[in-house]
Amino acid sequence: EIVMTQSPATLSVSPGERVTLSCRASQSVSGNLAWYQQKPGQAPSLLIYGASTRATGIPARFSGSGSGTEFTLTISSLQSEDFAVYYCQQYNNWPRTFGQGTKVEIK
Amino acid sequence: QVQLQESGPRLVKPSQTLSLTCTVSGDSIRSGTEYWSWIRQPAGQGLEWIGRVYTTGTTNYNPSLKSRVTISVDTSKNHFSLKLSSVTAADTAVYYCAKCVGGWYFDHWGQGTLVTVSS
Repeated sequence: EIVMTQSPATLSVSPGERVTLSCRASQSVSGNLAWYQQKPGQAPSLLIYGASTRATGIPARFSGSGSGTEFTLTISSLQSEDFAVYYCQQYNNWPRTFGQGTKVEIK
Repeated sequence: QVQLQESGPRLVKPSQTLSLTCTVSGDSIRSGTEYWSWIRQPAGQGLEWIGRVYTTGTTNYNPSLKSRVTISVDTSKNHFSLKLSSVTAADTAVYYCAKCVGGWYFDHWGQGTLVTVSS
């Protein structure tokens, strides 16, 4: 099983700041990585797939990069609605696995 | 707009079988272009992929749960189902159903349903 490790666990940020979240895979997943956003009491929602392709309706301030074992999700200017938990997920191998999440909270 | 809705008992006794159904609207399971998955999330924890089913009934399961899991599809009712046997308190979680694009990532999710295992 591929283990996905996200860092940091929690990030305290002020609105308007640039945010960078990391996701590392225990072995290469090529570009087969997705990012999700989860707000309290809600289901996760897809942000990015293919490591860098934004899902339908996702604002341009969200961008993804990386390949192999190292991936990054960047939010260029954090908005109030972006405070949430972010998960990465690999779909290169079975079983599909998720990272443990990074919580982006208000500083 | 695709919508998914989980339904089923919210409380299950230890050693019994957890059963949930996911009803899909706005898309046809029979279309055969997507996979349909179950994912769970214990309180305050991360996400665990349980398994998936294709329109033909072909399934894939997480090895950690494979011995206890059955996922099935009913194309006539446009829904798919999860059965998890011999449950313990460790199976208490929010259970989500989701549409899996190409068997890869999840682009539509149900709202989730909390299932508690307790006597």
